Amino acid sequence: ETGVTQTPRHLVMGMTNKKSLKCEQHLGHNAMYWYKQSAKKPLELMFVYSLEERVENNSVPSRFSPECPNSSHLFLHLHTLQPEDSALYLCASSQEFPLPLHFGNGTRLTVT
Amino acid sequence: AQSVTQLGSHVSVSEGALVLLRCNYSSSVPPYLFWYVQYPNQGLQLLLKYTTGATLVKGINGFEAEFKKSETSFHLTKPSAHMSDAAEYFCAVTVTDSWGKLQFGAGTQVVVTP
Repeated sequence: ETGVTQTPRHLVMGMTNKKSLKCEQHLGHNAMYWYKQSAKKPLELMFVYSLEERVENNSVPSRFSPECPNSSHLFLHLHTLQPEDSALYLCASSQEFPLPLHFGNGTRLTVT
Repeated sequence: AQSVTQLGSHVSVSEGALVLLRCNYSSSVPPYLFWYVQYPNQGLQLLLKYTTGATLVKGINGFEAEFKKSETSFHLTKPSAHMSDAAEYFCAVTVTDSWGKLQFGAGTQVVVTP
C-alpha cells in the first residue's frame, strides 16, 4: 500500500464520545500533519510533528489530542467534541522543506 | 506572515476552453507556491509547485502556472478544459522555516460544461 491512508473514512459521534482518527504514511517521510477542512473556510493547520516531536500546535482546543508514536503513524484523539467540530480532517506527510505535502483522503467527522 | 487570495470562489468553463484560476500572494520573503486539486470525497493532490528557478512551472494533467514577482501572482492555467477537470483548486504559500505551515486560499470550484 502506498501514500497516506486515513481511517475511518466516515465517523459519527456524540458529544460525550471518545474516538480516534488514524493516519499511516508509506512514503518514508519524517513529518506529519493534521489539517481541518470546514465548509466555507480555508484549510486550517492543527498540528505538525517532525521526527515524532510536536513542533506546532496551532491553538487547537484540548478536546483534540494528537499522538505520533513513530514517523509512520499519527493519531488524533477526540473527546467531548462540539457540533462545530464537524468537518473533514486531513492528514498529510512531507519529507523535507520546501515540502510538498502528500494528503490522505480524510475522515469526514459528524458530531451530533 | 504570508497569505494567498484566490479570486473567484466558482468558475464555470466550457469543455475545450481555457481554464484560468487566479492566485495572489503576500509574503515579505521569497515564497514557495503550490497548487492543489481536490476531487469530491478525496484529499488534496499536488498539481504543481514553484520553489526557485524557472518561473513557468508545468504540472500534472496539462496544468501550468507562472510565478510573477512583480505582480505577486501565481495564476493557474490549462489551455483546454476537460470534463475531468471539475474539482476544487487551492493555491497555497509557505516560506522557509515555517514547518509545513502552508497557508491555503479559500479555494475555487471549477465547473466544466459540455
